[in-house]
Amino acid sequence: GENVEQHPSTLSVQEGDSAVIKCTYSDSASNYFPWYKQELGKRPQLIIDIRSNVGEKKDQRIAVTLNKTAKHFSLHITETQPEDSAVYFCAASKGSYDKVIFGPGTSLSVIP
Amino acid sequence: SQTIHQWPATLVQPVGSPLSLECTVEGTSNPNLYWYRQAAGRGLQLLFYSVGIGQISSEVPQNLSASRPQDRQFILSSKKLLLSDSGFYLCAWSVPGADTQYFGPGTRLTVL
Repeated sequence: GENVEQHPSTLSVQEGDSAVIKCTYSDSASNYFPWYKQELGKRPQLIIDIRSNVGEKKDQRIAVTLNKTAKHFSLHITETQPEDSAVYFCAASKGSYDKVIFGPGTSLSVIP
Repeated sequence: SQTIHQWPATLVQPVGSPLSLECTVEGTSNPNLYWYRQAAGRGLQLLFYSVGIGQISSEVPQNLSASRPQDRQFILSSKKLLLSDSGFYLCAWSVPGADTQYFGPGTRLTVL
């Protein structure tokens, strides 16, 4: 079955710097890759997603890139702010009726 | 718009006691429904998913069970709780034919 790995497990950056979180997946049939942000004690919230027919997607300070050949995708956060501090989960799925497999998460701390 | 509810929000139960957690979705029909468990500081473990009334798929063999008595209701149960059942239980839903999952507010369960 699908396996999603995520690195690093923890990440500390200075406010204003960029943060990058990388994920790899094992099943080449996966075609949907969402990213969720989970603040302490709260539910995961979808922040951005990408499908296999595009290589990059951007939404303000957040961008995701996908390399299907290498089976990896990354989350890029620019101009980080303290409110970006949270746990971020990447995930992969083969389609609408398939399970979404989550990575283990990255704890991001933005230091003011 | 669609909303997802979970109750109770928090629960403290003794070892060996039964469990019933409820999840309901409003504003959509025939959603795909999911139960996840998140141990403290850990990732999201998929427990059960359902694509329709009475259709339950189990991902992890354990002392938990799930039922879907109505189209938009998903219940997680146990006859006898274990200490290891403590965690944050999240229900999620997705539109059939769509990839994105949306999480409920969660139930924090502590087994003593």
